[in-house]
Amino acid sequence: GDSVTQTEGQVTVSESKSLIINCTYSTTSIAYPNLFWYVRYPGEGLQLLLKVITAGQKGSSRGFEATYNKETTSFHLQKASVQESDSAVYYCALGSTGGNNKLTFGQGTVLSVIP
Amino acid sequence: GGIITQTPKFLIGQEGQKLTLKCQQNFNHDTMYWYRQDSGKGLRLIYYSITENDLQKGDLSEGYDASREKKSSFSLTVTSAQKNEMAVFLCASSMRGAEQFFGPGTRLTVL
Repeated sequence: GDSVTQTEGQVTVSESKSLIINCTYSTTSIAYPNLFWYVRYPGEGLQLLLKVITAGQKGSSRGFEATYNKETTSFHLQKASVQESDSAVYYCALGSTGGNNKLTFGQGTVLSVIP
Repeated sequence: GGIITQTPKFLIGQEGQKLTLKCQQNFNHDTMYWYRQDSGKGLRLIYYSITENDLQKGDLSEGYDASREKKSSFSLTVTSAQKNEMAVFLCASSMRGAEQFFGPGTRLTVL
């Protein structure tokens, strides 16, 4: 089956510093999966941050970037300079390519940005 | 734009009780999903439905039933609530192959 691993359960970063949240995936599918980052801001519902459906491509949104690396099966989330408003829970997810778009989620990383 | 509504927001039940959670979407999306999230863990797929009256089991379907009688609604039943069970149930919907949109969740507590 599919699985997604986020190694950090909690990350604390000072404002204006850089950020990386690690995500690696495993799949038994022959086809390359779609990869997503979802985010839940305090008091809000889960929403899509960015997605990449082609291996080797980079997705970006709100200053965050993630590159789909099929060699290392990774999809790390990065930001050059975080803001306090980025404090949230971030989930990496793998989407099946069979049309039903089933998602397999990592366990989530809680990001706290210190002013 | 559209919205996904989940009712109730909080659900408290007794051990062994059958409990039903409801989800409505007005996106006119074909596919709907139910996920369970336990504290500190990722979301796990319980059931999904690609069209009205269709049901597909996810990784966590045991102990649950689902129903998709209309395109816009998808309900989930906990067939026998387990004591001390606590989790958040999230409903989502999508067009075929597109991104999923999530509802606000139902928080379940079993006494």
